[in-house]
Amino acid sequence: GENVEQHPSTLSVQEGDSAVIKCTYSDSASNYFPWYKQELGKRPQLIIDIRSNVGEKKDQRIAVTLNKTAKHFSLHITETQPEDSAVYFCAASIGYSTLTFGKGTMLLVSP
Amino acid sequence: DGGITQSPKYLFRKEGQNVTLSCEQNLNHDAMYWYRQDPGQGLRLIYYSQIVNDFQKGDIAEGYSVSREKKESFPLTVTSAQKNPTAFYLCASSDLGANTEAFFGQGTRLTVV
Repeated sequence: GENVEQHPSTLSVQEGDSAVIKCTYSDSASNYFPWYKQELGKRPQLIIDIRSNVGEKKDQRIAVTLNKTAKHFSLHITETQPEDSAVYFCAASIGYSTLTFGKGTMLLVSP
Repeated sequence: DGGITQSPKYLFRKEGQNVTLSCEQNLNHDAMYWYRQDPGQGLRLIYYSQIVNDFQKGDIAEGYSVSREKKESFPLTVTSAQKNPTAFYLCASSDLGANTEAFFGQGTRLTVV
């Protein structure tokens, strides 16, 4: 089955810096790559996703890039703010299959 | 108010007892899922269901059971056979289709003493 590796497990940045979280996947047939944000004590929520026919997608301060050849995708957050502090999960799936999640990255943005 | 609701938020049980976690959704989603979240382990799939009266094992189904008698409901029973039941449990639902967003409940924290 699919295996998703996520790095780093923790990431500390200063407010205003950029943050990058990277994920790799094992199954080259995977074609959907969402990112979820989970604030402390709350439910995970989708923040951005990308499909395999697209190399990059942006939404204000967040962007996701996909390299199908290398089987990795990354989340980029620019101009980080304290409210960006949370656990971020990447995931991958193939068509109608269930999502396989990475182990998460705890992002801490210090004022 | 549409959404997916889990209850209770906190649950305590004695070792050796079965316990059932509730998950209800009014989003008209066909697919429902149960995940277990442990620190540093991400979200691991326990069971999922794509249609009423049918469900499939996920990666860590041992010691758990589910039922899907209604489209809106997908309860999870943590049995006494589950060796490490203390965890945070998340229920999710989605449309039945390729590349669809999963919506999560607020979770149930189960503590077995």
